[in-house]
Amino acid sequence: IAGITQAPTSQILAAGRRMTLRCTQDMRHNAMYWYRQDLGLGLRLIHYSNTAGTTGKGEVPDGYSVSRANTDDFPLTLASAVPSQTSVYFCASTKDSDGGGELFFGEGSRLTVL
Amino acid sequence: GQNIDQPTEMTATEGAIVQINCTYQTSGFNGLFWYQQHAGEAPTFLSYNVLDGLEEKGRFSSFLSRSKGYSYLLLKELQMKDSASYLCAVKDSNYQLIWGAGTKLIIKP
Repeated sequence: IAGITQAPTSQILAAGRRMTLRCTQDMRHNAMYWYRQDLGLGLRLIHYSNTAGTTGKGEVPDGYSVSRANTDDFPLTLASAVPSQTSVYFCASTKDSDGGGELFFGEGSRLTVL
Repeated sequence: GQNIDQPTEMTATEGAIVQINCTYQTSGFNGLFWYQQHAGEAPTFLSYNVLDGLEEKGRFSSFLSRSKGYSYLLLKELQMKDSASYLCAVKDSNYQLIWGAGTKLIIKP
């Protein structure tokens, strides 16, 4: 089934640990995004990639890094997790960043940092 | 700054009609989106407006007025499964999506 796959779906992590959230899409979309969603706030963009080989910073990039080595994969890394990074993380993709195409979301990764 | 405003929560009755408003102030405009998000799930696309007017899609319609920085999502013949959060998002001049905090819609029998 075509779509976006995120892993893990849920994780509890000790503060200071390194963590990578994986995201893979098989729709050959050019643009990919990482959002975090916190209660009472809108989705906030962490990092994005308009095409393979390029990445950019979103609204809340501090403490996170990404890479886009190929079209399909867009992992998000927390170098040293802190409790304020407890959130639900959504990976999303769309065909082209400047079009009106819909965003397709993964099922989310619920991360708890203790 | 950029801002998207929508009501935090609304309640409606099964079978009725509800209108969810969204006002925005963004640096540029390249389209407005509505997404539906059921609790514990990912957002799913509902509609896209880039020109003024009403777009109808089954029981759901979305309206846009660019001069007023205003949109609404109209849901007709409400069903219990429509209980969800509805997210308004605007693409700004850099083609980045700015998201509202969402409107939680509660449907009562």
